[in-house]
Amino acid sequence: NAGVMQNPRHLVRRRGQEARLRCSPMKGHSHVYWYRQLPEEGLKFMVYLQKENIIDESGMPKERFSAEFPKEGPSILRIQQVVRGDSAAYFCASSLRDRPSHSYGYTFGSGTRLTVV
Amino acid sequence: GQQVMQIPQYQHVQEGEDFTTYCNSSTTLSNIQWYKQRPGGHPVFLIQLVKSGEVKKQKRLTFQFGEAKKNSSLHITATQTTDVGTYFCAGYNTPSNYQLIWGAGTKLIIKP
Repeated sequence: NAGVMQNPRHLVRRRGQEARLRCSPMKGHSHVYWYRQLPEEGLKFMVYLQKENIIDESGMPKERFSAEFPKEGPSILRIQQVVRGDSAAYFCASSLRDRPSHSYGYTFGSGTRLTVV
Repeated sequence: GQQVMQIPQYQHVQEGEDFTTYCNSSTTLSNIQWYKQRPGGHPVFLIQLVKSGEVKKQKRLTFQFGEAKKNSSLHITATQTTDVGTYFCAGYNTPSNYQLIWGAGTKLIIKP
């Protein structure tokens, strides 16, 4: 039973390019959460999606960032025209219901480390 | 907005010494979670505390939740090299039941 899968593990982009980060939730999970972690900081909530719906994107910058979770396939976090400040680790987690298990907390994927050069 | 402060930012200890990290919230928390992140890794859930004054133990780790549910601590007795990493506390951003507000973490460094 695979856990939350993220790819790529490392992504290098030049300023102005697009970055696409993928997250495949645990089997049977239809809720996905994306968090961003800057160096030496804790995680910051970005967006919460259910299949084909964005439930809460209050933590996501209005410009250049978008997220989707289609009916088929992984959730995608898309960053257009990347800048150096987008360099960070991006983690996703998934859950069966509309909240992470309160007994087990979040189960995160291994993350994507984005470096903008 | 709601904030979770965590201190210290770093703690250097000799192997075998104890380690403690403290977490304070600007608002009352419904519960608090603790995570460990190894260098280059992802956060791994350790425990959740729910009740006022709650104390939980996991082997050499002791977790406490304050009476007012605004502060928490993690204490590791007799640290080992396997304890190296950054320890984070996180509380739910009320009334959300999914959005966690994270402390900045305390990095545990074992002196050679």
